[in-house]
Amino acid sequence: AQRVTQPEKLLSVFKGAPVELKCNYSYSGSPELFWYVQYSRQRLQLLLRHISRESIKGFTADLNKGETSFHLKKPFAQEEDSAMYYCAPFNAGKSTFGDGTTLTVKP
Amino acid sequence: KAGVTQTPRYLIKTRGQQVTLSCSPISGHRSVSWYQQTPGQGLQFLFEYFSETQRNKGNFPGRFSGRQFSNSRSEMNVSTLELGDSALYLCASSSWTGGIYDEQYFGPGTRLTVT
Repeated sequence: AQRVTQPEKLLSVFKGAPVELKCNYSYSGSPELFWYVQYSRQRLQLLLRHISRESIKGFTADLNKGETSFHLKKPFAQEEDSAMYYCAPFNAGKSTFGDGTTLTVKP
Repeated sequence: KAGVTQTPRYLIKTRGQQVTLSCSPISGHRSVSWYQQTPGQGLQFLFEYFSETQRNKGNFPGRFSGRQFSNSRSEMNVSTLELGDSALYLCASSSWTGGIYDEQYFGPGTRLTVT
């Protein structure tokens, strides 16, 4: 069965501190890995796509196929990063979402 | 370009009724996927349509159905509504070229409340 685990439901850091949001997945086949973000009162939007290897808003994610992990990192968190983050393997038109991590960045 | 739109944005229905939700994808996108979002179950995949054909389906009962029109617009129907169907229903569209999907773009969702 396909499963995505985001172990931290809530994560709180101070502004300027590093942040890491964990994602582990169990998936048959070769999915593409995405991170989505949902800011308050906004729609779900793409934050980062593994194959593009772009750094969006200072976030990066490393795919570790051996550990089947795709952790999201940012060296210096900003208050505007406060949001809900979802890890989602994608394959054949279907995204499988984790439960999400609510990140709060305190001033 | 215009984003994914969903109508209506809010809906209140009674148990036993049926409901139809609509999704207009981004122009040129032929893949439309539907998701249900609830506090207890999170975001769950319902089904995906491509060129008017259902290509992928999640683990939902047959009361949940959908269709896609030739202009790629999609509708989702839920019959015999139950209280547990109360949720935010999200639609996402994606382009598909040469066997490769592009990223999914999500709509704002339709908030369905079943009383």
